[in-house]
Amino acid sequence: DAMVIQNPRYQVTQFGKPVTLSCSQTLNHNVMYWYQQKSSQAPKLLFHYYDKDFNNEADTPDNFQSRRPNTSFCFLDIRSPGLGDAAMYLCATSRDVQGGAEQYFGPGTRLTVT
Amino acid sequence: GQNIDQPTEMTATEGAIVQINCTYQTSGFNGLFWYQQHAGEAPTFLSYNVLDGLEEKGRFSSFLSRSKGYSYLLLKELQMKDSASYLCAAMDSNYQLIWGAGTKLIIKP
Repeated sequence: DAMVIQNPRYQVTQFGKPVTLSCSQTLNHNVMYWYQQKSSQAPKLLFHYYDKDFNNEADTPDNFQSRRPNTSFCFLDIRSPGLGDAAMYLCATSRDVQGGAEQYFGPGTRLTVT
Repeated sequence: GQNIDQPTEMTATEGAIVQINCTYQTSGFNGLFWYQQHAGEAPTFLSYNVLDGLEEKGRFSSFLSRSKGYSYLLLKELQMKDSASYLCAAMDSNYQLIWGAGTKLIIKP
């Protein structure tokens, strides 16, 4: 089945210790997104790629970086996690950015910062 | 600014009908999405409306009024598995999704 896969599902890291979250897709979609979602809040878009073109949201902290080495994979790097970065991180893909192209989400990675 | 408003929480009875409302204010408009999100899981797509009117898909229907900046999701014949959060998201002129915080729907037997 075509899908969006995120690893790991649960990640514990220490305050200030770099962490990388990964996402892969078998849908062959052009667009990949990273969202941060805290409990009972709306998903917050961090950045997205249209193919290799990187689009950073204006309010995404510099502490968050991303890489997309190929169509299938995308990584979220948090350089120095703070307690406020504890959240669910959702990866999503879509065929295109326009119109009714729905986003397909992975199961998420729940990040805990100790 | 851009904004989505939807109720924080609703309660309904198994077998009944519930309507979840959403109002939006965006810079331009390219359609409205509804997603379902079970606790601790990822959102899954339910519907997309870009023209005024009602779209029916099984037990779920979604309505849009562009002139009023208003949408609703109608769930019929409620089942316990429908207990989840329902997220409304509007797409603006830059094709950016503006997300609501979600409506937590509690189904009681």
